[in-house]
Amino acid sequence: KNEVEQSPQNLTAQEGEFITINCSYSVGISALHWLQQHPGGGIVSLFMLSSGKKKHGRLIATINIQEKHSSLHITASHPRDSAVYICAVHQNTGNQFYFGTGTSLTVIP
Amino acid sequence: KAGVTQTPRYLIKTRGQQVTLSCSPISGHRSVSWYQQTPGQGLQFLFEYFSETQRNKGNFPGRFSGRQFSNSRSEMNVSTLELGDSALYLCASSPTGPLYGYTFGSGTRLTVV
Repeated sequence: KNEVEQSPQNLTAQEGEFITINCSYSVGISALHWLQQHPGGGIVSLFMLSSGKKKHGRLIATINIQEKHSSLHITASHPRDSAVYICAVHQNTGNQFYFGTGTSLTVIP
Repeated sequence: KAGVTQTPRYLIKTRGQQVTLSCSPISGHRSVSWYQQTPGQGLQFLFEYFSETQRNKGNFPGRFSGRQFSNSRSEMNVSTLELGDSALYLCASSPTGPLYGYTFGSGTRLTVV
């Protein structure tokens, strides 16, 4: 049983395209995180959400608590956005941390 | 300010040995959490320490243990290494926990032969 499901698993886009990555979860959460992992392993925390919407540069993250769904949008995608994007949730009971399997994004010039 | 520092970056150990990994959090961060990443299982939560106490624990066997010191530095120990323990081990620090976001270290890549 996967507490966090991400789609799509793989995504190839042309530079400049608008990209959406989806995350659905099945547990009650206190926070949802979007992480970015480049080849070599380093992980960067992009957003932490508990409600609503956040924007940072060309990245936008939204969450719908009632529907247990979050989306990560990238506007005007660029080859440097190529990475694996991981959705993670912090469960509000038991304090467990669950991860999606990641979405591998490749942006072609 | 300095980021999260993990040492060593790479490690090769033999099956049956034990290993200790170190994580120095960002100054002022009191929460340190550890994660294992493998190609097959992806990222999995190991445990979290806050103010020298283990606050949360994932579903890993007792061979995996950790501790946190008074300066918030944390160590993770794996005893009786198995081939399946080969993974990237990441730690992350936060001021107080999940509602304040995490900063990740670069990880320690452990290979068990």
